[in-house]
Amino acid sequence: AQSVTQLDSHVSVSEGTPVLLRCNYSSSYSPSLFWYVQHPNKGLQLLLKYTSAATLVKGINGFEAEFKKSETSFHLTKPSAHMSDAAEYFCVVRTSGGGADGLTFGKGTHLIIQP
Amino acid sequence: DTGVSQNPRHKITKRGQNVTFRCDPISEHNRLYWYRQTLGQGPEFLTYFQNEAQLEKSRLLSDRFSAERPKGSFSTLEIQRTEQGDSAMYLCASSSGTAKNGYTFGSGTRLTVV
Repeated sequence: AQSVTQLDSHVSVSEGTPVLLRCNYSSSYSPSLFWYVQHPNKGLQLLLKYTSAATLVKGINGFEAEFKKSETSFHLTKPSAHMSDAAEYFCVVRTSGGGADGLTFGKGTHLIIQP
Repeated sequence: DTGVSQNPRHKITKRGQNVTFRCDPISEHNRLYWYRQTLGQGPEFLTYFQNEAQLEKSRLLSDRFSAERPKGSFSTLEIQRTEQGDSAMYLCASSSGTAKNGYTFGSGTRLTVV
């Protein structure tokens, strides 16, 4: 079975400083991995996805993630945080096999941006 | 096309009542998914359709829950005899192929059972 673990429930950074949100995955084969963002009272928005092409994936709003098979990690980064980045971030792995076609979400990381 | 649309946005109901939610996916998307998100947790998969066929149901989907997509376009999720534990955000998503490319989510329907 596929699963993801988000290592931090809350991350607080100052505006203009780098952001690092950590995620480890578990999968018996090459996974499809995603990061989604959820702003308060809004729907989930896809930030970026990894589907076995380039290991460094660029997403929207300046976010990037690097797939590291040896470390089973898919950490999300951004060089400079902006106040509008404050939100809940979910690391997600595709669940497949046996007719299944879903996404398994981590518990989320709440990103706080300090002015 | 305005994306995935869900109605109503909010629903408050008394325990024991039945409720029905509607999801209108992006028109060219053949797959439609339902998820449930409780406070402080990530969304959990409930069920999905390819066109009008319901292909998978999670063990979270008790026999009080039923979902339909009769014409392969919009979908409804009904909860019968609601319980307080059903209080959650119910999210709908759609995709043009498999989950490999991710989905487009709607804004959800927040259910409160009192």
